[in-house]
Amino acid sequence: DTAVSQTPKYLVTQMGNDKSIKCEQNLGHDTMYWYKQDSKKFLKIMFSYNNKELIINETVPNRFSPKSPDKAHLNLHINSLELGDSAVYFCASSQDRSRGRGSYNEQFFGPGTRLTVL
Amino acid sequence: GENVGLHLPTLSVQEGDNSIINCAYSNSASDYFIWYKQESGKGPQFIIDIRSNMDKRQGQRVTVLLNKTVKHLSLQIAATQPGDSAVYFCAEKRDSSYKLIFGSGTRLLVRP
Repeated sequence: DTAVSQTPKYLVTQMGNDKSIKCEQNLGHDTMYWYKQDSKKFLKIMFSYNNKELIINETVPNRFSPKSPDKAHLNLHINSLELGDSAVYFCASSQDRSRGRGSYNEQFFGPGTRLTVL
Repeated sequence: GENVGLHLPTLSVQEGDNSIINCAYSNSASDYFIWYKQESGKGPQFIIDIRSNMDKRQGQRVTVLLNKTVKHLSLQIAATQPGDSAVYFCAEKRDSSYKLIFGSGTRLLVRP
């Protein structure tokens, strides 16, 4: 009965590889997010989708490409992995209003995916 | 600019004492604030939120205070327990935005 789940929990890979992280939420929310948490615990938004539409796209290298096949899933694909990509990546979801408007609703976070690039 | 920060990176308290974690924000247009708790190896977990039309909100053992004049937010934890040991984040957003901006976090250590 996990609300927001991510796979894998740990990912160790070589520099230059391509990898994907998957996220699923069973809360019926219409907005999903990807955050990156660095070694100093700083959390920063990367992307957000509302009803499968990209609504937030922060200054992230274009090696990162999110994909939302449906409202319950938001995957993150990373090409040509670099050492600096090592971090914990969190998926989150929330229930918001119609397109273009946020809300006062909290975001629910997944357990995180620890990515280590060697 | 976008700047939500915390005064104390680490706070150590005796079990049973009250804890106060502070946060400063810079965007006066922010009208919604959330406190999250992150335990080791887990994702952030919602604790309590407050809208800008309120100064104070209470939950179970937690109270959030908002001072819009000086753009300051605090989280008070009553009778701190070992299970409260975690990193605490404040976050802000505007109602019209989906974007939640997190502060840098404060680590709370509870001494037995």
